[in-house]
Amino acid sequence: GAVVSQHPSRVICKSGTSVKIECRSLDFQATTMFWYRQFPKQSLMLMATSNEGSKATYEQGVEKDKFLINHASLTLSTLTVTSAHPEDSSFYICSAGPTGEDGYTFGSGTRLTVV
Amino acid sequence: DQQVKQNSPSLSVQEGRISILNCDYTNSMFDYFLWYKKYPAEGPTFLISISSIKDKNEDGRFTVFLNKSAKHLSLHIVPSQPGDSAVYFCAARGNAGNMLTFGGGTRLMVKP
Repeated sequence: GAVVSQHPSRVICKSGTSVKIECRSLDFQATTMFWYRQFPKQSLMLMATSNEGSKATYEQGVEKDKFLINHASLTLSTLTVTSAHPEDSSFYICSAGPTGEDGYTFGSGTRLTVV
Repeated sequence: DQQVKQNSPSLSVQEGRISILNCDYTNSMFDYFLWYKKYPAEGPTFLISISSIKDKNEDGRFTVFLNKSAKHLSLHIVPSQPGDSAVYFCAARGNAGNMLTFGGGTRLMVKP
């Protein structure tokens, strides 16, 4: 089946620094990748949609300059949290596709803690 | 405005009994619905889906029912097993694209 690898799984960074999260489709080409964020005990909230070779489309309320998304190839998308603050601490998940019955496969997520 | 709602944040069921997880939606443009299972610190895993042209889809112990007129879907797990304990998200997709809108999730606890 389709596999999506997301790294790192956990990262702790200092306030003001930037963190890059990678999302790779290992055995298929992903023309579209989605980035989600999940706060504790809350649902997955779509942050942005990225299509290979074009600029990402951000959801309302998501700062484009803070959450930089690059989808330069059909197998890799990156989310960079710039100038991170403690309120950016969250669980970030990507999904890539289309593949299979459900269309998109999720990565394993990244737990970001900003101290 | 929450377009997909799971009104029960948690559900506790005895092993072997049926688990019923509910989901309501408001957007009539949604035409495909999915259920995901999620363990802590992991990405969601696809369970089962249903197209809006159907009212039932079954896969092993999992059955999803869709009531379009009520804008309601449910996931039935029978018999429930302790390994089913997780958070279950329903998600909906419109015909305009592949973006998923998730419900808030229901934490299922299956007691041995």
